[in-house]
Amino acid sequence: GENVEQHPSTLSVQEGDSAVIKCTYSDSASNYFPWYKQELGKRPQLIIDIRSNVGEKKDQRIAVTLNKTAKHFSLHITETQPEDSAVYFCAAKSGAQKLVFGQGTRLTINP
Amino acid sequence: DAGVIQSPRHEVTEMGQEVTLRCKPISGHNSLFWYRQTMMRGLELLIYFNNNVPIDDSGMPEDRFSAKMPNASFSTLKIQPSEPRDSAVYFCASSPPGHNYGYTFGSGTRLTVV
Repeated sequence: GENVEQHPSTLSVQEGDSAVIKCTYSDSASNYFPWYKQELGKRPQLIIDIRSNVGEKKDQRIAVTLNKTAKHFSLHITETQPEDSAVYFCAAKSGAQKLVFGQGTRLTINP
Repeated sequence: DAGVIQSPRHEVTEMGQEVTLRCKPISGHNSLFWYRQTMMRGLELLIYFNNNVPIDDSGMPEDRFSAKMPNASFSTLKIQPSEPRDSAVYFCASSPPGHNYGYTFGSGTRLTVV
């Protein structure tokens, strides 16, 4: 089955700098890759997703890139702000299969 | 839409008692998932349903856990008897038909077993 590895487990950046979180997946048939943000005490919320027919997707300060050949995808947050502090989860899915989540990255933005 | 609705939000119970968690998925979503989240183990998928039918319950920790989905708008996760190690946040999530959609999570139930 699918296996998703996420790195780093914790990340600390200065406010205004960029943050990058990386994930690798094992199933070459996976074709849907969402990212979730979970603030302390809240539910995981979908912030951006990418499908295997595109290599990059942007939404304001966040972007996701996908390299199908290498089977990895990344989340990029630019001009980080204190409200970006949260745990971020990547996930991968193949067709009708269930989403498989990474282990999560705790991102801290230092003022 | 009100989103995925879970109840109760918090539950404190004594060891040995039965606990029932409830979930109402988003109308029109045909897949429903139960997750458990702890600091040590992260997000664990316990069981999921498709069109009210359990598809994969391999994540259910043991026979003390059971889940049902009697109709498209309601699911329960039951723990009987509860143990302190069951203390966690339990999330329900749902997704619409189709392959390329993410899950919408409920607000979760924080369970504490003392």
